[in-house]
Amino acid sequence: DTEVTQTPKHLVMGMTNKKSLKCEQHMGHRAMYWYKQKAKKPPELMFVYSYEKLSINESVPSRFSPECPNSSLLNLHLHALQPEDSALYLCASSRSVYEQYFGPGTRLTVT
Amino acid sequence: AQRVTQPEKLLSVFKGAPVELKCNYSYSGSPELFWYVQYSRQRLQLLLRHISRESIKGFTADLNKGETSFHLKKPFAQEEDSAMYYCALKANAGGTSYGKLTFGQGTILTVHP
Repeated sequence: DTEVTQTPKHLVMGMTNKKSLKCEQHMGHRAMYWYKQKAKKPPELMFVYSYEKLSINESVPSRFSPECPNSSLLNLHLHALQPEDSALYLCASSRSVYEQYFGPGTRLTVT
Repeated sequence: AQRVTQPEKLLSVFKGAPVELKCNYSYSGSPELFWYVQYSRQRLQLLLRHISRESIKGFTADLNKGETSFHLKKPFAQEEDSAMYYCALKANAGGTSYGKLTFGQGTILTVHP
């Protein structure tokens, strides 16, 4: 398996909802990343996990809560989001410091 | 701090014409540079990395440390090359086991028939 998968593909949630995004890879990569991408803009790094430990938090609001339950899975828990949080959320993984492989993303709409 | 600049938001060429997407970077250390491509409705995927000096889909890119540039070139553009292209820089933070990418703003390439 040489892909990063993400579920769901699309998510619509209200500002009071709690939802989670899921990312999975079976390439044995030990670094996993969450990015946020607005339309026609580059991805912006949110979090980096390395060996299941949070290594980077790019000053992301606490309404976004990442979790890495094991080396293949990465979750992003969402709570009390704002409409401006609507975006494409990308997951990526890499074998140590080498190139990153991206998932197809979850398109999130906050109403 | 590192920075990546792609001066052209949009680039249009005709099929068969040469194409060059510009990328300049600012970084005090020894950078690793990449080109990523995002076709319509597809995932972001790696096109080239400067370390491997390979040619993918006819594209090449040479790292010019003197000019701090990593321009992407193709001698004969094809319609299927139409996509968003991002130049990215990975800062080498010694001792870490992950890479932190800084992306440029991207260039939308349109190849007309």
